[in-house]
Amino acid sequence: QTVVTQEPSFSVSPGGTVTLTCGLSSGSVSPNYYPSWYQQTPGQSPRTIIYTTSVRSSGVPDRFSGSILGDKAALTITGAQAADESDYYCVLYVGSGIWVFGGGTKLTVL
Amino acid sequence: QVQLQQWGAGLLKPSETLSLTCAVYGVSLSDYYWSWIRQPPGKGLEWIGEIQKWGNTNYAPSLKSRVTISVDRSENQLFLKLSSVTAADTAVYYCARGRSAVLIDSWGQGTLVSVSS
Repeated sequence: QTVVTQEPSFSVSPGGTVTLTCGLSSGSVSPNYYPSWYQQTPGQSPRTIIYTTSVRSSGVPDRFSGSILGDKAALTITGAQAADESDYYCVLYVGSGIWVFGGGTKLTVL
Repeated sequence: QVQLQQWGAGLLKPSETLSLTCAVYGVSLSDYYWSWIRQPPGKGLEWIGEIQKWGNTNYAPSLKSRVTISVDRSENQLFLKLSSVTAADTAVYYCARGRSAVLIDSWGQGTLVSVSS
């Protein structure tokens, strides 16, 4: 059973930079896991912000960027704004047609 | 621009079958992959499964024995059936569009399904 790990919570100051990560309980994340990132505010459907590691979805501000850092996928927000306070989820393709979401990170901007 | 409109029964009793429909507007079902994802109240997202554009299906191992995802290409609609539901299946269910190597690029509005006796 593959487990995808995310920080449960993170805090960033307005204007600051924060990097959220997405890892595996066993092994390293590579581009072959096709990591994607989603943003969700309470009561709303999620919004796709990054797919295939680093491609920004249409309309997503360029302060959001995706990468592989070490053995994890990473979502970096540069110049965080109050509007970025949300839950962030990653998902990884683990093979055999199966995708697994991480548990999500609650990001606070204060 | 794709639009996904979902509907289905919002309250079920244990052991019943959950049935949801997702109508797709603006694109052809046949050109994309389609997934169902759910989110229990106050919890994270869970991938349920997908149907690929040529009709192949993949399901989460934990749900595989109870799930069926299908499409009606003539109506451009996507369906989810989950049998033998329990309270643990209470969640907001989302349909979503994707493509190869991209699980989701567009999300439906979500449908809350509650299971209670």
